[in-house]
Amino acid sequence: EVQLVESGGGLVQPGGSLRLSCAASGFTFNTYNMNWVRQAPGKGLEWISYISSSSSTIYYADSVKGRFTISRDKAENSLYLQMHSLRDEDTGVYYCARTHSDSSRLFDYWGQGTLVTVSS
Amino acid sequence: QLVLTQSPSASASLGASVKLTCTLSSGHSSFVIAWHQQQPDKGPRYLMRLNSDGSHIKGDGIPDRFSGSSSGAERYLTISSLQSEDEADYYCQTWGAGIWVFGGGTKLTVL
Repeated sequence: EVQLVESGGGLVQPGGSLRLSCAASGFTFNTYNMNWVRQAPGKGLEWISYISSSSSTIYYADSVKGRFTISRDKAENSLYLQMHSLRDEDTGVYYCARTHSDSSRLFDYWGQGTLVTVSS
Repeated sequence: QLVLTQSPSASASLGASVKLTCTLSSGHSSFVIAWHQQQPDKGPRYLMRLNSDGSHIKGDGIPDRFSGSSSGAERYLTISSLQSEDEADYYCQTWGAGIWVFGGGTKLTVL
């Protein structure tokens, strides 16, 4: 069974940093591209970052470019999101999502999310 | 600019059918999309990949009550024999040139 379990969320002050983790199991992690998606309270889904299976290709949404860094660890079967210079508008639930193995590049499995609250 | 447009809300009665719409922006009518369901206080769940010709491939364990179809730039999700657990937010998603886009979501109420 495919499982994605996020952790690392919490309360952080504006300007602070936080590192999110996503533990993957039930599939061959190092053969799948992965993503981070967030959801502000009461709002819709917003894609924020993509990393290819080999880490050779990385994309960011403009809203986080230069502040967030996506990475992955094959040995740990884990995906990470390092977040710096956090702002109030970064508050929300952060999900990791697996990219489908077909050519569509769409997402086929999601985690349950971890809540990040940026507030003084 | 790649944009997906969804109606904010829809409603239908228990046991009835409902058809939700996702519209691709001009110039993107051939794009493949995915439909995702998000029940209250849960993470999203992948429902299906939907091609421009209406063919679709559903995710693991998705009931036959869920189906997809297409017409031009419109992508549809039809849910038949509505059940109470179908009350959720439904998002469409697509990809293009290094960005992934979600529609604003449709909140489905089962009456």
